[in-house]
Amino acid sequence: DTGVSQDPRHKITKRGQNVTFRCDPISEHNRLYWYRQTLGQGPEFLTYFQNEAQLEKSRLLSDRFSAERPKGSFSTLEIQRTEQGDSAMYLCAPREGNTGELFFGEGSRLTVL
Amino acid sequence: RKEVEQDPGPFNVPEGATVAFNCTYSNSASQSFFWYRQDCRKEPKLLMSVYSSGNEDGRFTAQLNRASQYISLLIRDSKLSDSATYLCVVNMANTGFQKLVFGTGTRLLVSP
Repeated sequence: DTGVSQDPRHKITKRGQNVTFRCDPISEHNRLYWYRQTLGQGPEFLTYFQNEAQLEKSRLLSDRFSAERPKGSFSTLEIQRTEQGDSAMYLCAPREGNTGELFFGEGSRLTVL
Repeated sequence: RKEVEQDPGPFNVPEGATVAFNCTYSNSASQSFFWYRQDCRKEPKLLMSVYSSGNEDGRFTAQLNRASQYISLLIRDSKLSDSATYLCVVNMANTGFQKLVFGTGTRLLVSP
């Protein structure tokens, strides 16, 4: 158990549809990251929150992507008008304050048909 | 040049072998470094942090070479259970933000 719950675990959608992923850390962490991972690649940074503030957003994220962390606890990642290239595993990772360790959730796998 | 580069492998080794992975990084001001392990279709998990003086945890040894901008991971007496992808992670120095950049990972296959 990573202490991070991601929902849904799997999502299959048609191109053009909107999808939303949710990340719920069990314990409080000020810092929270979202990554995307495709087969054979390492996780790619998408965005970063410190509490409820979104401090950094990757150039990989087009205007179709938006992320929120309204109360500084759970976070959501929304993709609008999905494209086949959005198919990937979306990983949420709170970061521990003292050690700097990232605690990844099991991820939300998106397949866009 | 990529921010973090790793040899993707796969490295095929027999049980009991010693194997070493390197990872190079581009930003000389990078401050902290980690090795993560990822099993097939699972999330990455921290294997060990990499300290300037080098550190050891059982069969695993991590080292940092700032002058040449690389980190290494040595695995001694390989076990079948060590088969996984090993991800190098570098904390890029960036004002006001701690950007953790992953390499593509090095795949290790340990065979009987």
